[in-house]
Amino acid sequence: NAGVTQTPKFRILKIGQSMTLQCAQDMNHNYMYWYRQDPGMGLKLIYYSVGAGITDKGEVPNGYNVSRSTTEYFPLRLELAAPSQTSVYFCASSSLTATNEKLFFGSGTQLSVL
Amino acid sequence: GIQVEQSPPDLILQEGANSTLRCNFSDSVNNLQWFHQNPWGQLINLFYIPSGTKQNGRLSATTVATERYSLLYISSSQTTDSGVYFCAVERSTGGFKTIFGAGTRLFVKA
Repeated sequence: NAGVTQTPKFRILKIGQSMTLQCAQDMNHNYMYWYRQDPGMGLKLIYYSVGAGITDKGEVPNGYNVSRSTTEYFPLRLELAAPSQTSVYFCASSSLTATNEKLFFGSGTQLSVL
Repeated sequence: GIQVEQSPPDLILQEGANSTLRCNFSDSVNNLQWFHQNPWGQLINLFYIPSGTKQNGRLSATTVATERYSLLYISSSQTTDSGVYFCAVERSTGGFKTIFGAGTRLFVKA
């Protein structure tokens, strides 16, 4: 049981480049989330999804896009990378129906924009 | 939006000491969780505790939803407890957004 898998683990981008951060979960969870964590700070919610085809903005959505075509995958797209997007990105998932609705996190993607 | 405040921001303990971390939140919540982020960045869920008290080994947590706070107790601390402890809440209204506090950074000295 892999849980939440994120790729890549590390990436360096030049200003203006684009990339997609991949996230997959094998727990059949309805809810999925993308967070960013700046150095020494807490996690900020970028986007979330309550099921396939349904996404919504979190606290800091500007500069990002998401899609959720299936339950398993929730990719995060950066269209025009900026230095302010240098951060560690975490994907998470949780179950809609479980009575113990814990968040499960991936191992993170460390992104630097230079 | 909802505000989540954690205290203290930083804490240094001698191995074997006990500690209490606090999380205050500004609105009614459906859900409150405590997480530990280890020095390698991995986030581990410690407790799902929207109300009441739970215990897991040397750790326990209490949430008093009516007074909008939660406490995480660490007893007989060990060096492996070092890291950052986050409180995260999901509001009762406004969608399914789980919002994190800024965390308490704990260092346990041997």
